Amino acid sequence: EDQVTQSPEALRLQEGESSSLNCSYTVSGLRGLFWYRQDPGKGPEFLFTLYSAGEEKEKERLKATLTKKESFLHITAPKPEDSATYLCAVPSRGGGTGGFKTIFGAGTRLFVKA
Amino acid sequence: KAGVTQTPRYLIKTRGQQVTLSCSPISGHRSVSWYQQTPGQGLQFLFEYFSETQRNKGNFPGRFSGRQFSNSRSEMNVSTLELGDSALYLCASSLGSDPSSYNSPLHFGNGTRLTVT
Repeated sequence: EDQVTQSPEALRLQEGESSSLNCSYTVSGLRGLFWYRQDPGKGPEFLFTLYSAGEEKEKERLKATLTKKESFLHITAPKPEDSATYLCAVPSRGGGTGGFKTIFGAGTRLFVKA
Repeated sequence: KAGVTQTPRYLIKTRGQQVTLSCSPISGHRSVSWYQQTPGQGLQFLFEYFSETQRNKGNFPGRFSGRQFSNSRSEMNVSTLELGDSALYLCASSLGSDPSSYNSPLHFGNGTRLTVT
């Protein structure tokens, strides 16, 4: 069964303290890996799509990387406004007439203190 | 470009009642997916519609149903509400035109917060 596991569950950083979030995946035939950011009371906001091992994408203080088994979201010199839950997701074949659905990890709650 | 719009934002219902939630996708997006989000279970897939047809369904009881209209707008219905149905219900749209290349990212609305008492 396809699966996405994120670690750690929660991460507390001081402003400026760089770190990484991990997303491990098990999926038959990777068709892409997505990163999302979710703020309290809002829907997830799309950040990146990665398609193949070795690929990297950057946006402001965030950089996402992909290997054959996991993805990392690196946060460089974070600010308090980066505090949010970060979700990782992959398309998974789930039967039905079209076959695919996007499955999500449980997320990493990031807290950045000024 | 307007984002995904979900109405209402908040709902309070009583056990046994039924509820209908509405979703308007991004213009041009023909795929609409629904998710249930709870603190304990995270984001759980309910179903996905494309061109008025349900293409995929998650592991939820038959009390959960949905439909999509010709303008791609979608509704989901929950009948005979239970306390455990209290959750944030999220709708997401995507281009998702080709089921064999399901690599379009989802774009989410801000959800409907359903509370069942």
